[in-house]
Amino acid sequence: EAAVTQSPRNKVTVTGGNVTLSCRQTNSHNYMYWYRQDTGHGLRLIHYSYGAGNLQIGDVPDGYKATRTTQEDFFLLLELASPSQTSLYFCASRLGGDAEQFFGPGTRLTVL
Amino acid sequence: QQQVRQSPQSLTVWEGETAILNCSYEDSTFNYFPWYQQFPGEGPALLISISSVSDKKEDGRFTIFFNKREKKLSLHITDSQPGDSATYFCAAKTGANTGKLTFGHGTILRVHP
Repeated sequence: EAAVTQSPRNKVTVTGGNVTLSCRQTNSHNYMYWYRQDTGHGLRLIHYSYGAGNLQIGDVPDGYKATRTTQEDFFLLLELASPSQTSLYFCASRLGGDAEQFFGPGTRLTVL
Repeated sequence: QQQVRQSPQSLTVWEGETAILNCSYEDSTFNYFPWYQQFPGEGPALLISISSVSDKKEDGRFTIFFNKREKKLSLHITDSQPGDSATYFCAAKTGANTGKLTFGHGTILRVHP
């Protein structure tokens, strides 16, 4: 079973705060993804990467940066957090080709 | 612009009944359609998927019916069990190697014993 872990699992910050969400996969997967999940919107892709040092823009990238430091680690950065970024964030990884995406357990972020 | 639509938003069935979850899409370049199951407090997990070259995919009690001409598909859960209570997401992918998925808003299924 593919393993994707996320930290922290819960985070509370204030408007204007600086937040980093972490994701690690030990599957030797090439692709990694960051999504946000909101009621009424399903999952929306923020950023993704197909390898260390690579970054691709997703569908809702505004206000977010991301960095893929190694094959295993993918970070999502909110440098000036806003209440509209209060959400449930999921990381996923995928080997490539037609392989499925495996999701982590999620991080619940609250911006006050 | 919502490219993948799901209905109903929520569905309640009795144990043993068949639950039918619907999905439609707009982009004709979508060629792969996974359904994900999500329990509270967990990430989504792949349940079953279908390629656009097929019109039916079966896996135990779960069956996808696909109509390419109408750009519609449905997930049938036969003999529904309380343990099937979850949120179900229909997603779609093009042939590009990015693996980008476009998700619907989800259907919340409740199965009463």
